[in-house]
Amino acid sequence: GNSVTQMEGPVTLSEEAFLTINCTYTATGYPSLFWYVQYPGEGLQLLLKATKADDKGSNKGFEATYRKETTSFHLEKGSVQVSDSAVYFCALRRSNDYKLSFGAGTTVTVRA
Amino acid sequence: SAVISQKPSRDICQRGTSLTIQCQVDSQVTMMFWYRQQPGQSLTLIATANQGSEATYESGFVIDKFPISRPNLTFSTLTVSNMSPEDSSIYLCSVLEGPGELFFGEGSRLTVL
Repeated sequence: GNSVTQMEGPVTLSEEAFLTINCTYTATGYPSLFWYVQYPGEGLQLLLKATKADDKGSNKGFEATYRKETTSFHLEKGSVQVSDSAVYFCALRRSNDYKLSFGAGTTVTVRA
Repeated sequence: SAVISQKPSRDICQRGTSLTIQCQVDSQVTMMFWYRQQPGQSLTLIATANQGSEATYESGFVIDKFPISRPNLTFSTLTVSNMSPEDSSIYLCSVLEGPGELFFGEGSRLTVL
């Protein structure tokens, strides 16, 4: 079946540090991959996505590249801010389905 | 993207009671979904809300516990019936838009005492 495995948190960083959150997946075919973010007290927001191998999604300084050879979609940001403190969810959607399978979520705290 | 409004945003309920959560979208959408996010956990799909017909439930979720209505293309409700403390969760409405992107409401945080 389809599954997503995320790096366990929580992750605590200082401002301007480099952030990486690992995400690997198991799926048949060619799924679409997503990163969602949940800021404190808010709902989920789509952060970025990639729909095919070697695609790079980017938004708000975050990037993730769809690596089919390693079945990965790691999230990176070169210089985090306090406002990036949130829970980040990796997710996949099979090519013939509308349902999302989510990872467990990684809590990121950025300290000033 | 569509604007998704959920009501209530939060509630505290007594064991054994039921609560209905509303989801209103500002545009017509084909597909709507209900997810649950238990404390400290990831999101789990409860069901697909089908317009004009019975919802399609995922494994582990049943209509008697989570009845869903979808009378039109902009509105849906989820009822959590006969609640217990284990039902304390955030319940999220989501809609499918554009090239297969899911957008979420802000969620309804339910606490059952």
